[in-house]
Amino acid sequence: GAVVSQHPSWVICKSGTSVKIECRSLDFQATTMFWYRQFPKQSLMLMATSNEGSKATYEQGVEKDKFLINHASLTLSTLTVTSAHPEDSSFYICSATNQLSNQPQHFGDGTRLSIL
Amino acid sequence: GDSVTQMEGPVTLSEEAFLTINCTYTATGYPSLFWYVQYPGEGLQLLLKATKADDKGSNKGFEATYRKETTSFHLEKGSVQVSDSAVYFCALSGSNYKLTFGKGTLLTVNP
Repeated sequence: GAVVSQHPSWVICKSGTSVKIECRSLDFQATTMFWYRQFPKQSLMLMATSNEGSKATYEQGVEKDKFLINHASLTLSTLTVTSAHPEDSSFYICSATNQLSNQPQHFGDGTRLSIL
Repeated sequence: GDSVTQMEGPVTLSEEAFLTINCTYTATGYPSLFWYVQYPGEGLQLLLKATKADDKGSNKGFEATYRKETTSFHLEKGSVQVSDSAVYFCALSGSNYKLTFGKGTLLTVNP
């Protein structure tokens, strides 16, 4: 089946640091990637939708300047949490799909971000 | 807007028991319906899907039928195993390809 790789799986860093998370589709071309945030014991909250070669579309309430998303190729999207603070600590999950072939979304294993 | 309501957990069962997790939805048009499973510390895995009314999705002994008349997509398994312990999410996808998730149901299966 389709594989999506997310890296790193766990990161701990100091407040004020910027952190980059990568999401790669390993065996298919991802026209669209999604970034989610998940709080403990809660559902996934969609942060933004990223189409290859264009600017990401952010959901209401998500700060564009805080969460920078780049989708420069059909196999890679990155989420950069800029100047991270403890309230940004969370589980971030990406998913990828090829809308041209009507694929379901395939998810990465997530990144646990802890800001001290 | 679109929404998914699923049975609140947690659900605790003994091994080989029958499982039902209820899921109902509200959506415009004809959404696709999904069940995803999340094991501790991991991302989501697609368990099964159905794209039109009366379709039955099935995988690993789990089944769900797309019921348009009752706007439901209940997940069932005849005999659960300890390894099925996880969080299960019902979700729908509309014309914009975005997924709308239910709140998730924690299943614990005891030996």
